[in-house]
Amino acid sequence: QLVLTQSPSASASLGASVKLTCTLSSGHSNKDIAWHQQRPDEAPRFLIKLNGDGSHRKGDGIPDRFSGSSSGTERSLTISSLQSEDEADYYCQTWDNGKVFGGGTRLTVL
Amino acid sequence: EVQLVESGGGSVQPGGSLTLSCTASGFTFSAYSMNWVRQAPGKGLEWLAYISSRTNTIYYADSVKGRFTISRDNGKNSLSLEMNSLRVDDTAVYYCAGTWDYWGQGTVVTVSS
Repeated sequence: QLVLTQSPSASASLGASVKLTCTLSSGHSNKDIAWHQQRPDEAPRFLIKLNGDGSHRKGDGIPDRFSGSSSGTERSLTISSLQSEDEADYYCQTWDNGKVFGGGTRLTVL
Repeated sequence: EVQLVESGGGSVQPGGSLTLSCTASGFTFSAYSMNWVRQAPGKGLEWLAYISSRTNTIYYADSVKGRFTISRDNGKNSLSLEMNSLRVDDTAVYYCAGTWDYWGQGTVVTVSS
């Protein structure tokens, strides 16, 4: 069974960088994943899709501060120059005859 | 600009029915596979149903299989979710979404006696 694992919470200071990680269950290192941001009381927003081959595609209007990387079963989202509006829940998502979501990481900007 | 606008949410008693709609604009809807995703209060995202661009492939999550039906009308750029035998734990914000990217703003469904 395909499972995505995320840490429940993360925090970093204003202006700093933070790396959020999503881990695919064993045997699924080739899977593409997407990262979505959900600010409080808002709908999710697509940030970036990371393909198993290392390529990626960002959503429209997503700042260059958001970047992604892949290594084995790990798919990471790095946010640099943190701003207050980056405080949100971040979900990774893949596809396996249905969307599969990670549990989400709540990012606090200190 | 891509827009997905959901409608049809509301309050219903357990065992009741509701049909949600999603109207798409700003992209070639007929070329996109679509999904319904929900989020219960204070919880994470839960995928519910998928329909391919030409309606030839449909998948459901176990939690809604047999109770919910996804459909689309490419001529009207619309996606629907017919929900029957609703339960209290179906209470959530319901989103229509592309398979990887686009999201609607959501519509609230409350199931309560």
